[in-house]
Amino acid sequence: KAGVTQTPRYLIKTRGQQVTLSCSPISGHRSVSWYQQTPGQGLQFLFEYFSETQRNKGNFPGRFSGRQFSNSRSEMNVSTLELGDSALYLCASSSGYEGGNTIYFGEGSWLTVV
Amino acid sequence: AQSVTQLGSHVSVSEGALVLLRCNYSSSVPPYLFWYVQYPNQGLQLLLKYTTGATLVKGINGFEAEFKKSETSFHLTKPSAHMSDAAEYFCAVSVAGANSKLTFGKGITLSVRP
Repeated sequence: KAGVTQTPRYLIKTRGQQVTLSCSPISGHRSVSWYQQTPGQGLQFLFEYFSETQRNKGNFPGRFSGRQFSNSRSEMNVSTLELGDSALYLCASSSGYEGGNTIYFGEGSWLTVV
Repeated sequence: AQSVTQLGSHVSVSEGALVLLRCNYSSSVPPYLFWYVQYPNQGLQLLLKYTTGATLVKGINGFEAEFKKSETSFHLTKPSAHMSDAAEYFCAVSVAGANSKLTFGKGITLSVRP
């Protein structure tokens, strides 16, 4: 069974641009979450989508947005990029149902903003 | 809101020695607790999790953790360290109603000396 797949793995963007990251969850999983990992702030929850609806949201500005498609694939978008947005963005998937369900992570997308 | 404290950012042990990584959590409702490992340039891999039931949880690669409600702790142990255990370890918490929203600690880097 394929794991969580994220594309692209590495990208470099210029300040002010926007970026879209893609995530394909494990087959059958309906919940997709996104996390930002930086050396200074560690791992922070961005948002979670379940059945195409945002179910939980972290404390990030509105420049960070996401969506989920009917096949559970998800994208996150960051507009008006700032240098501080440079980070590893991790996608995670789970069934989204039972409490404490196992959450599986992808390899991440490394974003560098210059 | 939930929080996780991982004291110290770096632990160094000799190969064959006991590994003990500490994790304390704060939650006003029963928590679900997780330990993840991250190898360089990779995503997060689940080592083990506690949801309900038995408080001693066994995971992959010989790791185990014990949930102690009275101490609000979920320390990770391994009887004998191996060189391949060198990585960064994250403790995380979630709660019912926000199953897929993990709150992570800052992480601990484990070094294993030959």
